[in-house]
Amino acid sequence: NSKVIQTPRYLVKGQGQKAKMRCIPEKGHPVVFWYQQNKNNEFKFLINFQNQEVLQQIDMTEKRFSAECPSNSPCSLEIQSSEAGDSALYLCASSLQGGAETLYFGSGTRLTVL
Amino acid sequence: QQQVRQSPQSLTVWEGETAILNCSYEDSTFDYFPWYHQFPGESPALLIAIRPVSNKKEDGRFTIFFNKREKKFSLHIADSQPGDSATYFCAASTGGLSGKLTFGEGTQVTVIS
Repeated sequence: NSKVIQTPRYLVKGQGQKAKMRCIPEKGHPVVFWYQQNKNNEFKFLINFQNQEVLQQIDMTEKRFSAECPSNSPCSLEIQSSEAGDSALYLCASSLQGGAETLYFGSGTRLTVL
Repeated sequence: QQQVRQSPQSLTVWEGETAILNCSYEDSTFDYFPWYHQFPGESPALLIAIRPVSNKKEDGRFTIFFNKREKKFSLHIADSQPGDSATYFCAASTGGLSGKLTFGEGTQVTVIS
């Protein structure tokens, strides 16, 4: 069972609506990644954090998403105005050391934009 | 652009056979090469991984073969079982805090009995 907790498991939104998903990383893991997996199984890195600070993010994330990892609260990823192309599985992963070697994925939030 | 190429897209093997999945990469700075499997409706789970200091890594029925010169690596699933049916992804990463994964396109493996 995954130690990275993601909620909700499923999310359905209309175009133009906000879509917010949350992630509780594994205890003691300071680095958090968000990935998008589309219907073609293609993975796209979105953003990563170390503690509360953004390490890297892609252009799409910076322009259309709002993401944060506040201390003592779940991390969150929010699409400000959902588009049909945002329909995908959003995966949160946490890492002890930041690299990929200790990366654990949550169960994901499956977003459907109608 | 960093890329990881994976083949075949799908693979069907009989129970007991060895399934072979292949990946190649371009970026020489990649230094960590994991394989994940993903069952329908679930998230990817780490199966086995290798670093370039080795050219082979075994874990039970799963073996990675790594060829640094050719920038290729493969996953061999020996004695395939129906429960191995899943989508398998290779990936690559550089070191450090920004060690984000670059995934291959995936191989859907079906093991028939």
